[in-house]
Amino acid sequence: QQQVKQSPQSLIVQKGGISIINCAYENTAFDYFPWYQQFPGKGPALLIAIRPDVSEKKEGRFTISFNKSAKQFSLHIMDSQPGDSATYFCAATMNSGYSTLTFGKGTMLLVSP
Amino acid sequence: NAGVTQTPKFRVLKTGQSMTLLCAQDMNHEYMYWYRQDPGMGLRLIHYSVGEGTTAKGEVPDGYNVSRLKKQNFLLGLESAAPSQTSVYFCASRLGQGMSYEQYFGPGTRLTVT
Repeated sequence: QQQVKQSPQSLIVQKGGISIINCAYENTAFDYFPWYQQFPGKGPALLIAIRPDVSEKKEGRFTISFNKSAKQFSLHIMDSQPGDSATYFCAATMNSGYSTLTFGKGTMLLVSP
Repeated sequence: NAGVTQTPKFRVLKTGQSMTLLCAQDMNHEYMYWYRQDPGMGLRLIHYSVGEGTTAKGEVPDGYNVSRLKKQNFLLGLESAAPSQTSVYFCASRLGQGMSYEQYFGPGTRLTVT
């Protein structure tokens, strides 16, 4: 059972445009929602994260929007740049026991020059 | 501070062969994880450890074994490799319970089983 569903699988955006990646989760006990960025040949790295007590978090050009009632969260990349071309993973976890991250399947973003 | 390192970077095995992947971290993290990444499947947790001498199964543990004899090292073993284990393997570490959830990933090991 996939607990975090991510869409789209791939995305092509023109330079300067807005990239939007969506995730939906099923487990209402999840209370931490990070996004990881992975460049080709590298390991994933934390990009930005949000907790469900806020509806939005912004760091530079990257924003997470969170809708608790819909059990959805999304990553918005404003003014997308070719250097943002990477694979993005959403994830979720809960603050109980030895919590592990459940990852979405990833979105391959290509920002065309 | 090297962070999380993995050896080897690449490996080709024949079906039935065994091998051990080594993960090392120098951040004094309590928790360590092994994931596999396959196209269109995202990152799937194989095994994890919440401290020296302790390990637990993740989502896809079959065919793998792990050991955490030292806090800084987490070993992933394949006793009898199968073509289905062709994948990119990532190790990650995290500070510990009650601390930041952030996981720090290594650069990965690309394994091909023929």
